[in-house]
Amino acid sequence: QSVLTQPPSASGTPGQRVTISCSGSSSNIGSNTVNWYQQLPGTAPKLLIYSNNQRPSGVPDRFSGSKSGTSASLAISGLQSEDEADYYCAAWDDSLNAHVVFGGGTKLTVL
Amino acid sequence: QLQLQESGPGLVKPSETLSLTCTVSGGSISSSSYYWGWIRQPPGKGLEWIGSIYYSGSTYYNPSLKSRVTISVDTSKNQFSLKLSSVTAADTAVYYCARRVVPAARFDPWGQGTLVTVSS
Repeated sequence: QSVLTQPPSASGTPGQRVTISCSGSSSNIGSNTVNWYQQLPGTAPKLLIYSNNQRPSGVPDRFSGSKSGTSASLAISGLQSEDEADYYCAAWDDSLNAHVVFGGGTKLTVL
Repeated sequence: QLQLQESGPGLVKPSETLSLTCTVSGGSISSSSYYWGWIRQPPGKGLEWIGSIYYSGSTYYNPSLKSRVTISVDTSKNQFSLKLSSVTAADTAVYYCARRVVPAARFDPWGQGTLVTVSS
């Protein structure tokens, strides 16, 4: 069971806007920044959003992130077929043994 | 452009030690801004952070794996390595190495990953 909680699946049709949630606690999301990763089928994860809402160079502005309290969200607008992938959130956790925690992942299907 | 490449045996016997190396090219592993980490993904499952190391040798490990994990760094070869002892079938996974921005859970870039199967 993952420390960060994500819905196992999400879906949308081309052009739609979808959001994926990531719920944590005061020791991780509540006190540290959230990062999002996109994993296309058969490939390594790729950094999609860092520091809650920053996009690395090359990531389309259709992708956006936000954080409030102990939860975070990834939004994808203008959904495209190539967005079909697994999405993971991650944060540093300041608990007794400081470490990185990941969400369980959300499989996004473009219908 | 920074690149990371994992290498090591693809098959390990139960109870033995899994050993992998990550070679960093296009940049120095001795940069003060980064840790270097290992993440794994069992087949069909999610990502699990294993641990990270700084070029000075300072380490952080996943509490659930800490008793079996050792991560080391060789700055002369621009490499860092993972050793996971007493492996079982549950350790079968794709193992990724990645650069981590301090102090966040920001990993970029990632290696392509290497599948390690634990089987007799």
